[in-house]
Amino acid sequence: DAEITQSPRHKITETGRQVTLACHQTWNHNNMFWYRQDLGHGLRLIHYSYGVQDTNKGEVSDGYSVSRSNTEDLPLTLESAASSQTSVYFCASSEWANYGYTFGSGTRLTVV
Amino acid sequence: AQTVTQSQPEMSVQEAETVTLSCTYDTSESNYYLFWYKQPPSRQMILVIRQEAYKQQNATENRFSVNFQKAAKSFSLKISDSQLGDTAMYFCAFTSHGSGNTGKLIFGQGTTLQVKP
Repeated sequence: DAEITQSPRHKITETGRQVTLACHQTWNHNNMFWYRQDLGHGLRLIHYSYGVQDTNKGEVSDGYSVSRSNTEDLPLTLESAASSQTSVYFCASSEWANYGYTFGSGTRLTVV
Repeated sequence: AQTVTQSQPEMSVQEAETVTLSCTYDTSESNYYLFWYKQPPSRQMILVIRQEAYKQQNATENRFSVNFQKAAKSFSLKISDSQLGDTAMYFCAFTSHGSGNTGKLIFGQGTTLQVKP
């Protein structure tokens, strides 16, 4: 069965370190998205991609980067982790947003 | 800019009763799509129900139904015969293909629902 997987499920890192969160989907979806979830804010869009070599900034992109070298993967990199980036991160994919997204199970990141 | 607002941070309901979660949105688009997602303690995001704005008929999925009021820009979720497994956070979400959105989902702040035995 097709799926979208995120790794790791939990991670603790130190302030200033570079961190990469993985997202891999086997749906063959062109569209992939990264969101962060914080209490009181819902899910906010960090970066998104509509295909290979395409990346775009979302509403909370500062301090984050992504790259899309193939259809299946969209890794999210925190260049220099900050305590404000402690959050739960969700990756999602879709072929047509009209039908909603398929989500990964999330990564809980704690920056200490 | 499109926005989605859920004004009820927390709600509770007795098992077997009915509860309604509220959602309002703001857009200048005429054709768009609305969703309700459920997030149980497992953290998984589960699509509950979907509504196409050009359809007058309210969407229904088993015990879940929506009240879609396009003119009022309101999209509430009704859960009938509430079950303990309905305990979760619920998110309202919006997407359109108009300028400035191009298929991105915009989420509300979420409503935490607790079903009490």
